[in-house]
Amino acid sequence: KNQVEQSPQSLIILEGKNCTLQCNYTVSPFSNLRWYKQDTGRGPVSLTIMTFSENTKSNGRYTATLDADTKQSSLHITASQLSDSASYICVVISNAGNMLTFGGGTRLMVKP
Amino acid sequence: GAVVSQHPSRVICKSGTSVKIECRSLDFQATTMFWYRQFPKKSLMLMATSNEGSKATYEQGVEKDKFLINHASLTLSTLTVTSAHPEDSSFYICSARLGTSGSNEQFFGPGTRLTVL
Repeated sequence: KNQVEQSPQSLIILEGKNCTLQCNYTVSPFSNLRWYKQDTGRGPVSLTIMTFSENTKSNGRYTATLDADTKQSSLHITASQLSDSASYICVVISNAGNMLTFGGGTRLMVKP
Repeated sequence: GAVVSQHPSRVICKSGTSVKIECRSLDFQATTMFWYRQFPKKSLMLMATSNEGSKATYEQGVEKDKFLINHASLTLSTLTVTSAHPEDSSFYICSARLGTSGSNEQFFGPGTRLTVL
């Protein structure tokens, strides 16, 4: 069964601090992995898209890593800002049936 | 580019009424659109896949007669919640896929908050 597990479920950090969110998956066959940011009451917005051959990809203060061997990904947020408070969702796409499997998300709160 | 809009952004209705939610791809043509439902503090759950010009494909457990989907054009899909009940209250999100490959990115709409009284 395809599954995407994210940790932690929730996280509180102080403004300016860094944090790392984790994503483990068992989706097969793997096509690509995406991290989304979802603000409360809004739709998800794409942060990064990573294919099998990519190990790291950055988008501003967001850096995603992918280890296709261990089927793990992480999202590192540098110098957090209050506006980073949101849910971060890891989504893994399978070639089989073009399926998306969503992780449960990590709810991040950045406090001043 | 690749903007998806939803209308309305929030709606309150009485039990037993029907509510239509529109999903539009504003600057690209989307052969396939998707409808998701999201409960508080939970991730998105796929309800159905909407293909332009053909019947939608519903996920297991989703009542197709209750959640009517129409994808009449390459830029518009609609979800109609028929005979709404309070348990249908949720956040409904659509997405549109750019291109025909399953690996192509989906762009999500801003969501519609439905409250059924």
